[in-house]
Amino acid sequence: AQSVTQLDSQVPVFEEAPVELRCNYSSSVSVYLFWYVQYPNQGLQLLLKYLSGSTLVESINGFEAEFNKSQTSFHLRKPSVHISDTAEYFCAVTNQAGTALIFGKGTTLSVSS
Amino acid sequence: DGGITQSPKYLFRKEGQNVTLSCEQNLNHDAMYWYRQDPGQGLRLIYYSQIVNDFQKGDIAEGYSVSREKKESFPLTVTSAQKNPTAFYLCASSISGMGNTEAFFGQGTRLTVV
Repeated sequence: AQSVTQLDSQVPVFEEAPVELRCNYSSSVSVYLFWYVQYPNQGLQLLLKYLSGSTLVESINGFEAEFNKSQTSFHLRKPSVHISDTAEYFCAVTNQAGTALIFGKGTTLSVSS
Repeated sequence: DGGITQSPKYLFRKEGQNVTLSCEQNLNHDAMYWYRQDPGQGLRLIYYSQIVNDFQKGDIAEGYSVSREKKESFPLTVTSAQKNPTAFYLCASSISGMGNTEAFFGQGTRLTVV
């Protein structure tokens, strides 16, 4: 069965520092991978996704993630974070039937000045 | 504006009572989902529906029920059989039931059992 492991529950960083949020998955079928962001007491918003093609995908606000099939990873990176990036980030993979998403437990990114 | 509306935002329930959470979407999406979120647990799938009048159990369906009588509506009932119902509930929809399409989420309903 598909599963997602987010290796860090909390990541504290200073403003303008680089950050990497780690995500590993297990899947026995074709993989579709997603990163979602959640601000306090709100729903989730799609940050970026990998469906096929280029293994490096980017978001409009400077995040990027690289699909690594051999390491079964989909780590999220940003070269310079802002205070406004403080949120919870979820990695997700399609379930085996291809009908829903399975989420990791989330990583709380805290950016301070 | 198109989107997903969940209501109410906050809900309090006495033990032993059933309660229904509303989810409406005007995106013309075929698929709808209910997730439960607990601190440190991520999101866990309760039920999903790929088409009107059809739905499937997710990983934690016990103590919950749903209906899908209209394309735009997917209400979730938390029954008295749910042992620990206090949580943040999120509804989502996607164009189709295939997992390679983006899921759009509502703002959530926080349910507290008092």
